[in-house]
Amino acid sequence: QKEVEQNSGPLSVPEGAIASLNCTYSDRVSQSFFWYRQYSGKSPELIMSIYSNGDKEDGRFTAQLNKASQYVSLLIRDSQPSDSATYLCAVKNAGNMLTFGGGTRLMVKP
Amino acid sequence: KAGVTQTPRYLIKTRGQQVTLSCSPISGHRSVSWYQQTPGQGLQFLFEYFSETQRNKGNFPGRFSGRQFSNSRSEMNVSTLELGDSALYLCASSSRLAEETQYFGPGTRLLVL
Repeated sequence: QKEVEQNSGPLSVPEGAIASLNCTYSDRVSQSFFWYRQYSGKSPELIMSIYSNGDKEDGRFTAQLNKASQYVSLLIRDSQPSDSATYLCAVKNAGNMLTFGGGTRLMVKP
Repeated sequence: KAGVTQTPRYLIKTRGQQVTLSCSPISGHRSVSWYQQTPGQGLQFLFEYFSETQRNKGNFPGRFSGRQFSNSRSEMNVSTLELGDSALYLCASSSRLAEETQYFGPGTRLLVL
């Protein structure tokens, strides 16, 4: 069973702080990794994708991948209350199937 | 470019009925994947269609089926509905050049009574 694990949270951070979200996966052959943001009652929205070891930055978001440790993380700098949502880590397995973690609920307090 | 659209957005059915959900992918996208999201199980992959062929299938019973038309629009069908089928059903599309990047529609929220 290929699994993706996330801490369900909630992760609470003050406005302006860095939020750090983590994800581990079990399938060593996974090559593609994604972070989605999902607001309550809405569908998932793609934030970042990462395929190579290291960091990938996009605005206030930085995705980090360590394939040896089977670990993916998402850093959100200068967190805003509008960042409050559930963040889903997804791993592409065989074919075009995404396996999702359970999500981490982030709360950014003003 | 218009995003993924799904109809209907909300649906109430009773046990034993069947339901058909529709998904129109982003223009030019030929891959359509379906997912079920519940509070208990999270987001789970149902199946993927590409060029009118089912390419991948998740671990769901045969009551869940789907199809894709020549214009890439897709439908999924659930027969003999059970209470546990109450969920948000999400459709995602991707292009041939970036198949792993999936964009989700707004979903259809199904309630089975």
